[in-house]
Amino acid sequence: ELKVEQNPLFLSMQEGKNYTIYCNYSTTSDRLYWYRQDPGKSLESLFVLLSNGAVKQEGRLMASLDTKARLSTLHITAAVHDLSATYFCAVGQYGNKLVFGAGTILRVKS
Amino acid sequence: KAGVTQTPRYLIKTRGQQVTLSCSPISGHRSVSWYQQTPGQGLQFLFEYFSETQRNKGNFPGRFSGRQFSNSRSEMNVSTLELGDSALYLCASSWGREGYNEQFFGPGTRLTVL
Repeated sequence: ELKVEQNPLFLSMQEGKNYTIYCNYSTTSDRLYWYRQDPGKSLESLFVLLSNGAVKQEGRLMASLDTKARLSTLHITAAVHDLSATYFCAVGQYGNKLVFGAGTILRVKS
Repeated sequence: KAGVTQTPRYLIKTRGQQVTLSCSPISGHRSVSWYQQTPGQGLQFLFEYFSETQRNKGNFPGRFSGRQFSNSRSEMNVSTLELGDSALYLCASSWGREGYNEQFFGPGTRLTVL
């Protein structure tokens, strides 16, 4: 059974600092998704990573995928308050099924 | 381009009742997946429909069922509601069959069971 682990589960950052969220998964997959969720809201798609070595960047966020290590990272550069949210990674299985990590609650303090 | 829509947005039911939730995917998308989100269990996959066929099912009891119509709209039904069914139910819409496409989530239906 596929397990997806995120760490840390809670991250309190100062504005302007850098940090990385890690997403490990237990069985082979070449599909990794990152989502953002604001309180009381739905999931917003951030990145879709579909091959080993894939790297994508949008603003202050950069995501990468290492399928051999079964690891994806979400790197935050020079954090700003607007990035405060919960971030989920999800691994694709058969068809369009996604298995989600527990989520990382990010709080950016000014 | 309109996004994924879900109705109703909020529901309050009592134990033992049944409920039907609806999801309309993005135009042209043929895959609809359903997820349950709770503080304790996180986001859990319920089932996926593609072209009116259920392709995948998660580990939920038979009280949870769904279907998809020819226009790709999907419904899920929960019978004999239990307190533990209180959750945010999210549907996701995707274009392709093999899962290599972006999945877009609707705003969710928040179900409260009293």
